[in-house]
Amino acid sequence: QLGLTQSPSASASPGASVNLTCTLSSGHSNNAVAWYIQRPETGPRFLININSDGSHYRGDGIPDRFSGSSSGAERYLVISSLQSEDEAEYHCQAWGAGIQVFGGGTKLTVL
Amino acid sequence: QVQLQESGPRLVKPSETLSLTCIVSGGSFNSVSYYWGWIRQSPGKGLEWIGYVYYSGTAYYNPSLKSRVTISIDTSKNQFSLNLASVTTADTAVYYCARTISANYFDYWGQGTQVTVSS
Repeated sequence: QLGLTQSPSASASPGASVNLTCTLSSGHSNNAVAWYIQRPETGPRFLININSDGSHYRGDGIPDRFSGSSSGAERYLVISSLQSEDEAEYHCQAWGAGIQVFGGGTKLTVL
Repeated sequence: QVQLQESGPRLVKPSETLSLTCIVSGGSFNSVSYYWGWIRQSPGKGLEWIGYVYYSGTAYYNPSLKSRVTISIDTSKNQFSLNLASVTTADTAVYYCARTISANYFDYWGQGTQVTVSS
């Protein structure tokens, strides 16, 4: 069954880089994954779609500080040159056979 | 620029039906590439996919909600709707409508609407 696992929290300093991980369930390592940012009191915004080969596509207006990579069943959201505005909840999502699933979300704190 | 806006009652009584509508502006509502979906977020929880509908009217639902959910579309009005029957307090959440390309990722979202189930 398709499922996604995310760490509940992460932290990094302004100006640093951070990798957020989304892990696909067994048997689904070829699935693409999308990432979303959700700032407090706002709805999610599409950030990036990451394919199993690591190729990725950013949403409209998303800066290239946001990138993606892939290794096995893991899909990474890489945020470089962290800014205070990047402090938010990050959700990953996958799909297949008419089903959509979301991970539990990762709360990123920019210290 | 595509914009989506949810509307509907903010308070629903237990056992009744929750009904929301999403009006879409900008873009091509009837494109064969798009599915139109509903996602919700309960207090302090992650996102939960409810379902989506194609322009033809074909709908797909989360198996855990399938028995209670109906999603319909009105292409003449550029809108689609969610009906969730027999609600309980567990259905209290922020409900979002969103567009998905080819039933993949959701590229545009509404701002969300808080729905509370309470007597």
